[in-house]
Amino acid sequence: RKEVEQDPGPFNVPEGATVAFNCTYSNSASQSFFWYRQDCRKEPKLLMSVYSSGNEDGRFTAQLNRASQYISLLIRDSKLSDSATYLCVVNTNDYKLSFGAGTTVTVRA
Amino acid sequence: IAGITQAPTSQILAAGRRMTLRCTQDMRHNAMYWYRQDLGLGLRLIHYSNTAGTTGKGEVPDGYSVSRANTDDFPLTLASAVPSQTSVYFCASSEEGGSTEAFFGQGTRLTVV
Repeated sequence: RKEVEQDPGPFNVPEGATVAFNCTYSNSASQSFFWYRQDCRKEPKLLMSVYSSGNEDGRFTAQLNRASQYISLLIRDSKLSDSATYLCVVNTNDYKLSFGAGTTVTVRA
Repeated sequence: IAGITQAPTSQILAAGRRMTLRCTQDMRHNAMYWYRQDLGLGLRLIHYSNTAGTTGKGEVPDGYSVSRANTDDFPLTLASAVPSQTSVYFCASSEEGGSTEAFFGQGTRLTVV
């Protein structure tokens, strides 16, 4: 079983729509959680950290459910510029970040 | 410009040849990492270093070696390249291990023929 699993998508949504997707992780001892964004053929960049109580950053909301071992990302009022691959990242010990394969989101005009 | 730099950006390499991918950061980060990214598999950790002078194996270390002689540099060496090592390689650094933000280089596209 992979340490981090994501629905690969793609999620094709119109501008202004809300899109949400989850990621599951297998290690119950995981401590830190992140969403990274990766544009085509570019390096991943941190979108936001995910905190136990949930957190928002503008149009982006992240949630953590430790009991069910998943994290979620919700994007409100989607923009064309939100088109990207979103990587779920879990810190499984003090050095290792485990990456999901990514969820592709395409926002259409 | 502060950040993390990889070289080369792309390379076509004959099987059996030796190749070193270079990675340099100027953020004085303690931890550095090498990942490979393959379609459908996401990023997989090859080797890591928590601090200068120490290295460790990730989940796919076979065929690769690293060194960390100083804080800034973390080269990745393929001793004898094979076609299955065709991939996009990303170097990354973070201030302290996996609990802090990782910054990535722009990647090296390696094709082994």
